[in-house]
Amino acid sequence: DIQMTQSPSSLSASVGDRVTITCQASQDINKYLNWYQHKTGKVPKLLIYDASILERGVPSRFSGSGSGTDFTLTISSLQPEDIATYYCQMYQNLPPRYTFGQGTKLEI
Amino acid sequence: QVQLVQSVGEVKKPGASVKVSCKASGYTFNSYGISWVRQAPGQGLEWMGWISGGLNDQTNYAQKFQGRVTMTTNTSTSTAYMELTSLGADDTAVYYCARDHLIGFAFEIWGQGTMVTVSS
Repeated sequence: DIQMTQSPSSLSASVGDRVTITCQASQDINKYLNWYQHKTGKVPKLLIYDASILERGVPSRFSGSGSGTDFTLTISSLQPEDIATYYCQMYQNLPPRYTFGQGTKLEI
Repeated sequence: QVQLVQSVGEVKKPGASVKVSCKASGYTFNSYGISWVRQAPGQGLEWMGWISGGLNDQTNYAQKFQGRVTMTTNTSTSTAYMELTSLGADDTAVYYCARDHLIGFAFEIWGQGTMVTVSS
């Protein structure tokens, strides 16, 4: 099975900071990588799919990059409402199979 | 609007089974698959499996849950179900259903979550 390793597991940053979260796959997954934001008491929200495509309605300060085994989620200017846990998720298609990273808890 | 509405929370005894429902509205149920994801207290998100929205009920379960989970759909009521058997305390979690993305392999729409508590 493909393993996903996120880092860091937790992160403290200030409003306006540029924040980067990384996700590493144990083998090449092409661009089959998504990012989610999960706020306490809410349902998870899709931010980025296929490594770099911004989901509709997601602020442009969020961006994703990478392919193969190494991926990055970047928040260009951290806002107070970005406090959440962020998860990467890899997928294998036909039939669909998914694996989440362990999460990165972001605090201000 | 597109939404998934899940059944209310349940309390079960160890060894029992639980069946969670997920009723879809606002879209063509047969056109999208649904995954089930859970989050135990203090833990991360865990994918349990996927079922197609079509009539053939194609499934793909995470290896961890093979033999213990069954996912089904009722296309006449646009409802997906997830049944988990032989419950243990470590199955205490919030269980979510999530719909496939329109154009990619991702979870675009989520249910509100169902809390399942396993306790003697």
